[in-house]
Amino acid sequence: DQQVKQNSPSLSVQEGRISILNCDYTNSMFDYFLWYKKYPAEGPTFLISISSIKDKNEDGRFTVFLNKSAKHLSLHIVPSQPGDSAVYFCAASAGTGGGADGLTFGKGTHLIIQP
Amino acid sequence: EAQVTQNPRYLITVTGKKLTVTCSQNMNHEYMSWYRQDPGLGLRQIYYSMNVEVTDKGDVPEGYKVSRKEKRNFPLILESPSPNQTSLYFCASSFRLLDRGLNTGELFFGEGSRLTVL
Repeated sequence: DQQVKQNSPSLSVQEGRISILNCDYTNSMFDYFLWYKKYPAEGPTFLISISSIKDKNEDGRFTVFLNKSAKHLSLHIVPSQPGDSAVYFCAASAGTGGGADGLTFGKGTHLIIQP
Repeated sequence: EAQVTQNPRYLITVTGKKLTVTCSQNMNHEYMSWYRQDPGLGLRQIYYSMNVEVTDKGDVPEGYKVSRKEKRNFPLILESPSPNQTSLYFCASSFRLLDRGLNTGELFFGEGSRLTVL
């Protein structure tokens, strides 16, 4: 049972345009969401996060939107740059009530920025 | 420099030959975890540890063992490796994810250990 879903294995976007990466989740207990970026031969690195009490969080070119009713979040990158080409993982965690087993990750979306 | 260090980075071994992948972090993090990354499956958690002497199973613990005798180290042990354990392994650490008031719950990952079991 996949609780965090990234339905697009890959996405190609032209440099300078907006990249939109999508993520859906099924567990209504998730209350914190993160995006990680991964280059080949490196470990994932944290990019941006959002708490369920918010619907938007912005950091420079990166904005994450959360729609709790739809159990959907998206990562917007504007403008897209060649260095943004990487695999992006969506991740979620559930609450503060114990049983903190860390993050549940999606399968990732490979973003390719075309020059 | 704050980091998570894994060793070895690359290893080719044979079925049944015990091996250990070490993981060490220098950020005084309570929480540590092991993940494996496989094509089409993303990152799946193997084991995690909330603190010294506290470990628990993740989603795919079969065939693995861990220990947490010291705060900084969290080795992953494959007692009898099999070909289906061929994968890319990542160690990660953070302050306790529950302590949201202190940090973002951000996980710091090592650079990965690529293991091939023949």
